Amino acid sequence: GEDVEQSLFLSVREGDSSVINCTYTDSSSTYLYWYKQEPGAGLQLLTYIFSNMDMKQDQRLTVLLNKKDKHLSLRIADTQTGDSAIYFCAESPGSQGNLIFGKGTKLSVKP
Amino acid sequence: DTAVSQTPKYLVTQMGNDKSIKCEQNLGHDTMYWYKQDSKKFLKIMFSYNNKELIINETVPNRFSPKSPDKAHLNLHINSLELGDSAVYFCASSAGENQPQHFGDGTRLSIL
Repeated sequence: GEDVEQSLFLSVREGDSSVINCTYTDSSSTYLYWYKQEPGAGLQLLTYIFSNMDMKQDQRLTVLLNKKDKHLSLRIADTQTGDSAIYFCAESPGSQGNLIFGKGTKLSVKP
Repeated sequence: DTAVSQTPKYLVTQMGNDKSIKCEQNLGHDTMYWYKQDSKKFLKIMFSYNNKELIINETVPNRFSPKSPDKAHLNLHINSLELGDSAVYFCASSAGENQPQHFGDGTRLSIL
């Protein structure tokens, strides 16, 4: 079945790198996504990677995709207190386009 | 300009009432969605529309009825509200199926 797994919590110090990991089950997903949700706010599309890529870099964000192991990671360099949020991994299996979300990783950044 | 906008942002009402949540997108997208986020932050698809046609209807009670008057709007009407309907409802849109989805800010529905 479709399932996206992520660890629930991650705590880092300001200035360190954060790595949030995700595993997914459906190898037919065209894109894999990372969304950010700040407290009381909506979902912000942070970045996404096409399934035939293995890496994508966008400023402080690096996405790594290992299709063989169905593993996706998000690395945030020089993590800031403003990065504190819940980060959701999502896949889009099948042809209908609906997203299957993980349960979210709550990132806490300590000064 | 807000790309995907939902109204209202907060909705507090009593059990048994009927309410609607509106969603509009100005991105020119063909596909729109409704998701539900429960108290544990778990997000699940409810409906998907492509060019006003229903594509996905997950196992959602038929008290929930989406309406798409045109491809820029997807409204959600809920009849006979129940306590378990309390959640945050997110609207999203994409240029097509399997394209990145952009979300609204959510509607926080609380049932008393």
